[in-house]
Amino acid sequence: KQEVTQIPAALSVPEGENLVLNCSFTDSAIYNLQWFRQDPGKGLTSLLLIQSSQREQTSGRLNASLDKSSGRSTLYIAASQPGDSATYLCAVRPMSGGSNYKLTFGKGTLLTVNP
Amino acid sequence: DADVTQTPRNRITKTGKRIMLECSQTKGHDRMYWYRQDPGLGLRLIYYSFDVKDINKGEISDGYSVSRQAQAKFSLSLESAIPNQTALYFCATSGDGQVLSHNEQFFGPGTRLTVL
Repeated sequence: KQEVTQIPAALSVPEGENLVLNCSFTDSAIYNLQWFRQDPGKGLTSLLLIQSSQREQTSGRLNASLDKSSGRSTLYIAASQPGDSATYLCAVRPMSGGSNYKLTFGKGTLLTVNP
Repeated sequence: DADVTQTPRNRITKTGKRIMLECSQTKGHDRMYWYRQDPGLGLRLIYYSFDVKDINKGEISDGYSVSRQAQAKFSLSLESAIPNQTALYFCATSGDGQVLSHNEQFFGPGTRLTVL
């Protein structure tokens, strides 16, 4: 059974700092990995999707990397801003089989960027 | 306008009541999903549908039922609500997966349900 772990559970940084969020998964047979952002009481916003054949994806100040063999992904946020404060979730989709549709989510990292 | 909408956004109800949560999407996606989110447990899949005639149970379907009225509409029902169904409920959509870009899941804003 796939398990997804996100460390740390919470992170507080001063504005302007570069930071890294971590996501690890136990089964490396994944189809893709998706990073989401969730604001308090709100829905999930998709940030980046990395296919299993890719090593990284970039969008603005965000860069996500994937090392499938070691079961790890990182989300790098450059020059953090207070507006980046949110919970960040990663989710993996299995490679194949009957549950190919199913995303397994981590529990998230709560990021606070202090002005 | 939002691509995935959910109604109601908030609902408080009593034990034993029947509740329906609705989801609509304008993304033209075939696949739709219902999740619930609980503190400390993350998101868990309740039901999913790959098209109007294809509905499947997820990992926590007991106490829930769904209806796919059209490609764009997927509703979740709690036949007899109980307090441990208090949670944040999300609808999501994705493409058919045959094109890599269709693998991404898009989520609605959520419905906060409280069962007293």
